[in-house]
Amino acid sequence: GEDVEQSLFLSVREGDSSVINCTYTDSSSTYLYWYKQEPGAGLQLLTYIFSNMDMKQDQRLTVLLNKKDKHLSLRIADTQTGDSAIYFCAETNSFTNTGNQFYFGTGTSLTVIP
Amino acid sequence: ETGVTQTPRHLVMGMTNKKSLKCEQHLGHNAMYWYKQSAKKPLELMFVYSLEERVENNSVPSRFSPECPNSSHLFLHLHTLQPEDSALYLCASSQDRGAWYGYTFGSGTRLTVV
Repeated sequence: GEDVEQSLFLSVREGDSSVINCTYTDSSSTYLYWYKQEPGAGLQLLTYIFSNMDMKQDQRLTVLLNKKDKHLSLRIADTQTGDSAIYFCAETNSFTNTGNQFYFGTGTSLTVIP
Repeated sequence: ETGVTQTPRHLVMGMTNKKSLKCEQHLGHNAMYWYKQSAKKPLELMFVYSLEERVENNSVPSRFSPECPNSSHLFLHLHTLQPEDSALYLCASSQDRGAWYGYTFGSGTRLTVV
């Protein structure tokens, strides 16, 4: 299978920007995703980006994709304590009738310090 | 509540026990999935069902046995588990297998094998 790598932990101060990074090996990647997992909950889709895009912005979230380096990042502006969670990077490379396989990273645990 | 409900939320079982995890969705989705979430490891796909038919089994040990009686319900039957099987088991669903827009996850069952 394809590899998706993330660092395990990140700490930031409230009000600062957070940047969570992800690298992947699949050169055929078509869609890339960020999921958020709050304590005691399942994964919730935050945002996604198509592989022909470089950037996507949605309120406090900015996704940057460097397809050449196979690097995806999620920037959270003005980070709040409610942003403390585990953030998973995921990618998929196929949209055939037999369905697509999602490859997930390990998740990055973001701690926001008040 | 995301629309995918998993029970129980927590389960402690001995290595000789038999138990079942349940997942239910009323989103009208046709595909359902079991994932295993272990600390410091990528999210691991275990089983995929599409229209109640198992289409993928990622080399999961036979002590895990899935069942999909209809498109709304998915079970994971457990027997003679090992301590290393302790993890968070997540159920997810999507409209179809080719769901580029991502999955809807349940909150998971935290399994501890003693």
